[in-house]
Amino acid sequence: SQQGEEDPQALSIQEGENATMNCSYKTSINNLQWYRQNSGRGLVHLILIRSNEREKHSGRLRVTLDTSKKSSSLLITASRAADTASYFCVEGGGADGLTFGKGTHLIIQP
Amino acid sequence: GAVVSQHPSWVICKSGTSVKIECRSLDFQATTMFWYRQFPKQSLMLMATSNEGSKATYEQGVEKDKFLINHASLTLSTLTVTSAHPEDSSFYICSAKRGAGTDTQYFGPGTRLTVL
Repeated sequence: SQQGEEDPQALSIQEGENATMNCSYKTSINNLQWYRQNSGRGLVHLILIRSNEREKHSGRLRVTLDTSKKSSSLLITASRAADTASYFCVEGGGADGLTFGKGTHLIIQP
Repeated sequence: GAVVSQHPSWVICKSGTSVKIECRSLDFQATTMFWYRQFPKQSLMLMATSNEGSKATYEQGVEKDKFLINHASLTLSTLTVTSAHPEDSSFYICSAKRGAGTDTQYFGPGTRLTVL
């Protein structure tokens, strides 16, 4: 799979605010996935967006994909303390394992 | 659905001993499971791909004789760290895919290994 590059590397916001993080990749994709990792835990799959999709929603999460710019964004609305975690974007691996970047470390301040 | 468990959640062992970590898909059959390792403040690194009934495929730089992987059934893969040393101390995470045509991986909660 292809590694995404998340930006910013760290983000700190107040509870209730929206958080936006971005992902860039280098070559064409079949799909892009976003995962969350709480400290010391495994990863949780958030959203998969296919290359022919431009936007996808899941609860408070909104993911956009711009294949012309090779970029994606993850928006978390009305952030909560429980959203504090690291977020990773990665191309879906098919038969392969996933290649993770450094992620965006999000901190929600109470 | 799509729950993956790992056992144990943490383990402390002496240098030179072997440690076995289990990864189970609880509510689905996983034709493919993956093993990752994560060192402190670093991202996950893929170690190996495990397919049921066949030998695991290891990533470059991962010693297959040190990290033994067995995928004996569609719901269980095991990782054995043989002759563990302090530098093997890490967070080991497995993931599983429902089927060959799917892209989503479901991750276990991880196993914290500390080698003294």
